[in-house]
Amino acid sequence: AQSVTQLGSHVSVSEGALVLLRCNYSSSVPPYLFWYVQYPNQGLQLLLKYTSAATLVKGINGFEAEFKKSETSFHLTKPSAHMSDAAEYFCAVSPRQGGKLIFGQGTELSVKP
Amino acid sequence: NAGVTQTPKFQVLKTGQSMTLQCAQDMNHEYMSWYRQDPGMGLRLIHYSVGAGITDQGEVPNGYNVSRSTTEDFPLRLLSAAPSQTSVYFCASSYKGRFPDTQYFGPGTRLTVL
Repeated sequence: AQSVTQLGSHVSVSEGALVLLRCNYSSSVPPYLFWYVQYPNQGLQLLLKYTSAATLVKGINGFEAEFKKSETSFHLTKPSAHMSDAAEYFCAVSPRQGGKLIFGQGTELSVKP
Repeated sequence: NAGVTQTPKFQVLKTGQSMTLQCAQDMNHEYMSWYRQDPGMGLRLIHYSVGAGITDQGEVPNGYNVSRSTTEDFPLRLLSAAPSQTSVYFCASSYKGRFPDTQYFGPGTRLTVL
């Protein structure tokens, strides 16, 4: 069975600082991994996805994530946080056939001025 | 395109009442799914569909029914509402391709069961 674990339910950074949100997955087959962002009182929108092409994936709003098979990780980073990055972030894994996602618990990112 | 739409946005029910949460998409996506979001638990899959006439259970299907008579619509029915079903419900759709594709989410329905 596939699963995702996000380390840290709350992360707080200062504006301009590095953002690092951690995600580890468990999968017996090559995983398809996603990061979604949820702004307050809104639905989820895709930040980026890994589908077995390049291991370093670039997404929207300056975010990127690196797939590391040896560490079973897919951590999300952004070099310099902006106030508008404050939101909840979800890592998710999909089975090969698609159509459904298995989510981590989510990490709420706060950005201090 | 309107994308994925959900109605209603808010709903309050009494224990034992039934209702249907509506979901529609205009992107001709084959896949549709329902999730519930609870604090500290992320989103959990309730039911999903890989095409019209085909549905399957997710992680937390008890107390919910679905059907998919058209590609566009995927309603979620609560048979007899319970306080444990108080949650935010999201519908999503995606394209059926060679690899798992992006899921597009609706704005959500916030349900309170008293």
